[in-house]
Amino acid sequence: SFELTQPPSVSVSPGQTARITCSGDAVTKQYVYWYQQKPGQAPVLVIYKDTERPSGIPERLSGSSSGTTVTLTISGVQAEDEADYYCQSADTSGTSVFGGGTKLTVL
Amino acid sequence: QVTLRESGPALLKPTQTLTLTCTFSGFSLSTSGICVSWIRQSPGKALEWLARIDWDGDKYYSTSLKTRLTVSKDSSNNQVVLTMTNMDPVDTATYYCARYAAVVGSNNCEAYFDYWGLGTLVTVSS
Repeated sequence: SFELTQPPSVSVSPGQTARITCSGDAVTKQYVYWYQQKPGQAPVLVIYKDTERPSGIPERLSGSSSGTTVTLTISGVQAEDEADYYCQSADTSGTSVFGGGTKLTVL
Repeated sequence: QVTLRESGPALLKPTQTLTLTCTFSGFSLSTSGICVSWIRQSPGKALEWLARIDWDGDKYYSTSLKTRLTVSKDSSNNQVVLTMTNMDPVDTATYYCARYAAVVGSNNCEAYFDYWGLGTLVTVSS
């Protein structure tokens, strides 16, 4: 199996830039996907294949990759961005794994 | 329009077997390249991937839970069923089913989830 590591929490003020990282050896071999989850709701895909943004997701959310770390960047953070964010990847055996999640707090 | 809905018991006693059903619409699990997974989330905790079943019947399980899990499909009724044996209070969680994004013209699904059910909370308590 493989693991994805995220910081437990990130805090930013409105209008600032939030960066949430996801690291692990698997990051160099497989794509990483990002989900946003608000309280009481199912996760929603916000970034796929490291950097691609699904339709309907605001442009202020973006993804990047460097070495063993992928990063979800939220520019001009808004109150509505406050949520838990999870990275996810899959190995070639067909199994998937999620990171431990990062709680984004908008101060 | 793709939808998924989980159903099953809300309360179980320790050692009992959990059976959850995912009823979906807007796609067919008989179509090549379609895959469905089960994922759970204990209260206040992270998402945990459990199992996957593909259109062709291939099945994949979490390494840590594979001895307790069975996933099956009923394509004619648009359902995927998950069973988990020997339930314990630590298995208390919201259980989600989710569809992997499809790849047009491919027998393989993508590795990420484009549609999720709302989840169903299962509590294990004596």
